[in-house]
Amino acid sequence: EAGVAQSPRYKIIEKRQSVAFWCNPISGHATLYWYQQILGQGPKLLIQFQNNGVVDDSQLPKDRFSAERLKGVDSTLKIQPAKLEDSAVYLCASRGQGKKTETQYFGPGTRLLVL
Amino acid sequence: GESVGLHLPTLSVQEGDNSIINCAYSNSASDYFIWYKQESGKGPQFIIDIRSNMDKRQGQRVTVLLNKTVKHLSLQIAATQPGDSAVYFCAESYNQGGKLIFGQGTELSVKP
Repeated sequence: EAGVAQSPRYKIIEKRQSVAFWCNPISGHATLYWYQQILGQGPKLLIQFQNNGVVDDSQLPKDRFSAERLKGVDSTLKIQPAKLEDSAVYLCASRGQGKKTETQYFGPGTRLLVL
Repeated sequence: GESVGLHLPTLSVQEGDNSIINCAYSNSASDYFIWYKQESGKGPQFIIDIRSNMDKRQGQRVTVLLNKTVKHLSLQIAATQPGDSAVYFCAESYNQGGKLIFGQGTELSVKP
């Protein structure tokens, strides 16, 4: 079974530029998460989707971050305009359906450096 | 506020020894706990999980212990190998399928 795919793997931009990340979850996984991981810290949730609907975006800085999952499969996360403090790894995770299926599986992440 | 913390930021062990990584959590309503291993440049990799109705769960060379009385979680790795060197995160969740709250991580270094 293929894992969670993310692209690009690395991105370097200047502040005030925009950037977009793409995620393809494990096939059949209805729940998709975007996490931000700052160097030396654990991941922190930005947004959670159930199919194409938003379940939790309380920690998403909505003035600059946006995310969508239009067809309930792939998702994109966008930052516009980027700030220096957005430098981090952006991780996508997915989870299967069912009461006993709580494990979130992570992709390799996109490493963003804002200069 | 919500937090999941680790007692030791770094742990160095000899190859073949057993490793114990500890984690304290603060939300007594949490009902699901999970350990991830993260190697440099990679995403977190699932190791083992446990629900709050259990106090111990074993996998291949790994055991997770949950003590709800003191809100403590531990990961035991038997016969630690150089390939086990990584940062280990514990995480908790208090609503099924909801967000995971991660701790800062413990870096495990295995000396040959």
